[in-house]
Amino acid sequence: GDSVTQMEGPVTLSEEAFLTINCTYTATGYPSLFWYVQYPGEGLQLLLKATKADDKGSNKGFEATYRKETTSFHLEKGSVQVSDSAVYFCALSRNNAGNMLTFGGGTRLMVKP
Amino acid sequence: GAVVSQHPSRVICKSGTSVKIECRSLDFQATTMFWYRQFPKQSLMLMATSNEGSKATYEQGVEKDKFLINHASLTLSTLTVTSAHPEDSSFYICSARSGSQTEAFFGQGTRLTVV
Repeated sequence: GDSVTQMEGPVTLSEEAFLTINCTYTATGYPSLFWYVQYPGEGLQLLLKATKADDKGSNKGFEATYRKETTSFHLEKGSVQVSDSAVYFCALSRNNAGNMLTFGGGTRLMVKP
Repeated sequence: GAVVSQHPSRVICKSGTSVKIECRSLDFQATTMFWYRQFPKQSLMLMATSNEGSKATYEQGVEKDKFLINHASLTLSTLTVTSAHPEDSSFYICSARSGSQTEAFFGQGTRLTVV
């Protein structure tokens, strides 16, 4: 079946550092890929998505590129802020809209001033 | 984006009792709601999909008599954990969508602890 693997956290960075959170997936065919973010006390929010190979999703300075050859969708940000501290989930779906998602385990990011 | 409210955010119950978790769409009509569960340090796993007015569809390995899902209105779905046991302790989260090709929005999640 489908599965998503992402790096375990927590990831602790200083403000303005470069962020990479690795995500790889196992699935047949061409799933859609997503990154969700969960801030403390809030629900998951869609951060960005890509629906086909080589697509790049971007939002709020975060980027991720759908790499079919390496089955990866790594999340990157050039300069993190304290407000980016949250848990980040990588996920895939057979549905472009992101329903019936298969999630990775989540990675907690802590950014220190 | 649309708002989905989940209640309670945390609950502690005794073994053998039942617990109800509510998931409400506050500013849209949710034709479909999804229930997920997350064990410590593991992924969120889809438990079931519920469509308003019909029976929920459960994923393989999820006991439908243990996890009762009701989606009686377009703004409310409930998950009842019946005869809870410590192994049911987990993080439960719902999501809701208004159409088959629209984004699903998530609630805040419920941390259930069974003692």
